[in-house]
Amino acid sequence: AQKITQTQPGMFVQEKEAVTLDCTYDTSDPSYGLFWYKQPSSGEMIFLIYQGSYDQQNATEGRYSLNFQKARKSANLVISASQLGDSAMYFCAMREGLSSGTYKYIFGTGTRLKVLA
Amino acid sequence: NAGVTQTPKFRILKIGQSMTLQCTQDMNHNYMYWYRQDPGMGLKLIYYSVGAGITDKGEVPNGYNVSRSTTEDFPLRLELAAPSQTSVYFCATLPGLVGEQFFGPGTRLTVL
Repeated sequence: AQKITQTQPGMFVQEKEAVTLDCTYDTSDPSYGLFWYKQPSSGEMIFLIYQGSYDQQNATEGRYSLNFQKARKSANLVISASQLGDSAMYFCAMREGLSSGTYKYIFGTGTRLKVLA
Repeated sequence: NAGVTQTPKFRILKIGQSMTLQCTQDMNHNYMYWYRQDPGMGLKLIYYSVGAGITDKGEVPNGYNVSRSTTEDFPLRLELAAPSQTSVYFCATLPGLVGEQFFGPGTRLTVL
């Protein structure tokens, strides 16, 4: 069955250091997309980064990078130079069904990141 | 562009009452989704639509109904509200094959 697993319910990181949030996935669809969203305490969902299953290179967006290891079915988010404003809940999500056109999304249970001053 | 708007922002229902959560988008996106987020949890897909007139069930559709008569609107109907439906409800849209979902601000629903 298709699923997304985030095994770290909570993480702490010191300000200005890098942190890796883990995400593993399982799907039988050969074409899929992987996303990371940030949800601050205010509740909105903020898109961070996207990786397609056929992309050869790891995605990067500013301080965010996605460490995509297809054979291991992992899509870890790396945040470099952490800032206090990075404290939030982070969700990994997978889009599948591209071949059938349904484009359904599955979300992980999230990792709560706390950045320490 | 307003993007994705959801009304109401907050609502308290009594057990057995019904209500409709509204979702409207002005981006002309074909794909629309309804999720629920229980406290401390991720999002679970309730229903989705790939275009006007077409809807399909997600992971947790029981107790809900949807309709999609226009591209812009995707209302979610709760019939006979139950405490288990206490949650934050997010509506989202997707422009097409590539790109990320765009989320509305959410509706916080409490059923007492």
